[in-house]
Amino acid sequence: SSELTQDPAVSVALGQTVTITCQGDILRKYYVSWYQQKPGQAPRLVFSGYNDRASGIPDRFSGSSSGNSASLTIIGTQAEDEADYYCNCRDNSGNHVTFGGGTKLTVL
Amino acid sequence: QVQLQESGPGLVKPSETLSLTCSVSGGSINSYYWSWIRQPAGKGLEWIGRIYSSGITDSNPSLTGRLTMSVATSQNQFSLKLYSLTAADTAVYYCARGMLYGDYWYFDLWGRGTQVIVSS
Repeated sequence: SSELTQDPAVSVALGQTVTITCQGDILRKYYVSWYQQKPGQAPRLVFSGYNDRASGIPDRFSGSSSGNSASLTIIGTQAEDEADYYCNCRDNSGNHVTFGGGTKLTVL
Repeated sequence: QVQLQESGPGLVKPSETLSLTCSVSGGSINSYYWSWIRQPAGKGLEWIGRIYSSGITDSNPSLTGRLTMSVATSQNQFSLKLYSLTAADTAVYYCARGMLYGDYWYFDLWGRGTQVIVSS
């Protein structure tokens, strides 16, 4: 299956660490990328999996993967990190692209 | 710096065809993948399809038969046509640049998006 599954919502206290996960069998084959989307804005690349963090992304963001799961971790979460986060990778065919359903991160 | 800008009608009637264009400025359209992605209000991202600068296309299987994509390298633009529209096609449509390195795939640049409403 090429489906990517994300928890719909996650919350974290200001300054704490949070991990957003993405699961799918396709992750055993391809690497995942992560995007941040704030209300009314276009998504923004956070972690490419290839060049690590995208340009301008603070080093409190990091990505990792193992088996059929990938994670985006934010250490010392800031208020401005409150957003929707999406994972993305190629599907089984290799020629199509699939997104996870997104995780809404709330910073308390 | 490279920027992407979507353009097209904001309102389209059901059963009609949506035509969108993405203009690439500040860099060349050549040697990259260019994608269309949409997002219904309050929902997640859906990949529509991609076109390489050579003209080779891949599309979401759920849209096969309703979608045509083209690229105009001399104008640094690429376009989408989506046929037989229904209310379910109402969404913000984004264009984005895709990067492919072996098993890595990611969208490194996005347009600001354009709202499309399908309604009579």
